[in-house]
Amino acid sequence: DVKVTQSSRYLVKRTGEKVFLECVQDMDHENMFWYRQDPGLGLRLIYFSYDVKMKEKGDIPEGYSVSREKKERFSLILESASTNQTSMYLCASAGGYGYTFGSGTRLTVV
Amino acid sequence: QKEVEQNSGPLSVPEGAIASLNCTYSDRVSQSFFWYRQYSGKSPELIMSIYSNGDKEDGRFTAQLNKASQYVSLLIRDSQPSDSATYLCAVKPPGGGNKLTFGTGTQLKVEL
Repeated sequence: DVKVTQSSRYLVKRTGEKVFLECVQDMDHENMFWYRQDPGLGLRLIYFSYDVKMKEKGDIPEGYSVSREKKERFSLILESASTNQTSMYLCASAGGYGYTFGSGTRLTVV
Repeated sequence: QKEVEQNSGPLSVPEGAIASLNCTYSDRVSQSFFWYRQYSGKSPELIMSIYSNGDKEDGRFTAQLNKASQYVSLLIRDSQPSDSATYLCAVKPPGGGNKLTFGTGTQLKVEL
């Protein structure tokens, strides 16, 4: 089975901090995704990547950036955290038949 | 119109009944459809995929696809309390690699 690992389960950060969320997959998948999930809004795509060093904006990229230096690792960066970025962040990896999600990072910005 | 629509629920069914979860999508040329189950506080997990019109069965789960009506559904037979979760419908639009668009999910409650 594909394993997708997110580095932190819970994070609390202060407004204005730079925040790094890490995601690692072990199945050599080319496609990786970052979503955030909020009550009533569902899963919204922030950024995705089709290959190393390639990235594309999703539906809500503002305030975020990403890095994919190695195939197995896809990082989400909050340049200057704000309270409206408090959310559940989900990383996913895709090999052709739907996604496998990581366990999620619940980020609280205070 | 949302790209993928689901009734948020909650949908309550008694144990042993059939639960029917519905999803409509807006892009007529979408080709791939997925159902995910998400327990409270957990991440989504893939339970079914369907690509062709008709029914696809896997154990107690049946996915149904009607491309003409732009409608996909999930039936859960012999519902169990452990099926209580939020079910997310996801659609792969044409092109765009493996990018999926998700509905907001239907909460299912299976009552004893």
